[in-house]
Amino acid sequence: DAKTTQPNSMESNEEEPVHLPCNHSTISGTDYIHWYRQLPSQGPEYVIHGLTSNVNNRMASLAIAEDRKSSTLILHRATLRDAAVYYCILRDRTQAGTALIFGKGTTLSVSS
Amino acid sequence: GAVVSQHPSRVICKSGTSVKIECRSLDFQATTMFWYRQFPKQSLMLMATSNEGSKATYEQGVEKDKFLINHASLTLSTLTVTSAHPEDSSFYICSARGTSGTTYNEQFFGPGTRLTVL
Repeated sequence: DAKTTQPNSMESNEEEPVHLPCNHSTISGTDYIHWYRQLPSQGPEYVIHGLTSNVNNRMASLAIAEDRKSSTLILHRATLRDAAVYYCILRDRTQAGTALIFGKGTTLSVSS
Repeated sequence: GAVVSQHPSRVICKSGTSVKIECRSLDFQATTMFWYRQFPKQSLMLMATSNEGSKATYEQGVEKDKFLINHASLTLSTLTVTSAHPEDSSFYICSARGTSGTTYNEQFFGPGTRLTVL
């Protein structure tokens, strides 16, 4: 799977939007972009995923650059419960049965 | 969404003893389960991939005789840490892959098991 680059940490204030960037300049045409998050002392949980078009769900939005070499996870209104490590992961759709491989992720801190 | 449970959530044991961790998919069948390990302030590291009825495939550097994985049914996989030592203290997380319907190929994670070896 292609590599991703994320900032080590980001800070946000409660009820403000948060934009978490991810660079993946070596992405291939069959790579899906997945976002998971891990709250303290818990297992990871799925946030969102996409291929080419922007995606929205109840948790977040995913904005994918036109050239697909970067993407941004958008939390529209951060809450204290959104403080977590956010992982951006690429996985080839032809390898969908294989394990997700985690990088270092971005640690998001949210202040009240 | 689909639920994966782990038991126990936390275990403390003496050096030299063996510890078994259970991972269950509660509302879906999982032919493939994955085991990860996470040390403090580090990311998840894949240890092994387990297919129901088959021997597990271990990642490079993971001792298969130390970390015994059994995947005897479509809803249960176990990880046994044999002769545990303090350096095995870690957060162990299992994950299950859905095989049909809306869970197909999605990967769901358990809540993790905190192992402390004294």
